[in-house]
Amino acid sequence: EDQVTQSPEALRLQEGESSSLNCSYTVSGLRGLFWYRQDPGKGPEFLFTLYSAGEEKEKERLKATLTKKESFLHITAPKPEDSATYLCAAAGLNDYKLSFGAGTTVTVRA
Amino acid sequence: GAVVSQHPSWVICKSGTSVKIECRSLDFQATTMFWYRQFPKQSLMLMATSNEGSKATYEQGVEKDKFLINHASLTLSTLTVTSAHPEDSSFYICSARKGVVGELFFGEGSRLTVL
Repeated sequence: EDQVTQSPEALRLQEGESSSLNCSYTVSGLRGLFWYRQDPGKGPEFLFTLYSAGEEKEKERLKATLTKKESFLHITAPKPEDSATYLCAAAGLNDYKLSFGAGTTVTVRA
Repeated sequence: GAVVSQHPSWVICKSGTSVKIECRSLDFQATTMFWYRQFPKQSLMLMATSNEGSKATYEQGVEKDKFLINHASLTLSTLTVTSAHPEDSSFYICSARKGVVGELFFGEGSRLTVL
């Protein structure tokens, strides 16, 4: 069974304090690793897709990287508006359903 | 990106009534849509996979007769919660897949409260 585990559960940062979120996955034949941002009471917002180990993608202060066992979401010099829950999800070989991690809730204080 | 619209964003109903939630892909055609349920501070739990023109595929433990899914067109899927009870109160989110192994784009979610 495909599994996705995110850590830490919660992260409190000072504005400007860079940090990384971890997503460990056990998936049969990874077809894609996805990062989403979810604000309270809203649906997830797509951020990145990573397809193969070594791949990196960036968007503003966010950078996602992928290895064969895990993915990292790096937040550089975060601002309060980066506060959200970040979800990681993986799509395996045998089907196209995504397995979601429980998320990391990031709070950035001004 | 792509836009997925979900309606209503919140609904309150009496126990025993049925509630329909709509999910539309506004700027692309989605042969597959997914319905999720999310409890507070938990991740998304896949309920069913909705394929245009065919029956939905339900995850284990999800009652087909309770959660009716219809995917009548390439841009619309509906979830009907039948004979709703307070335990059905939750945040329901739909998503639409763009491409074969494409990104999933999510609706804004629908908060259902059953009194």
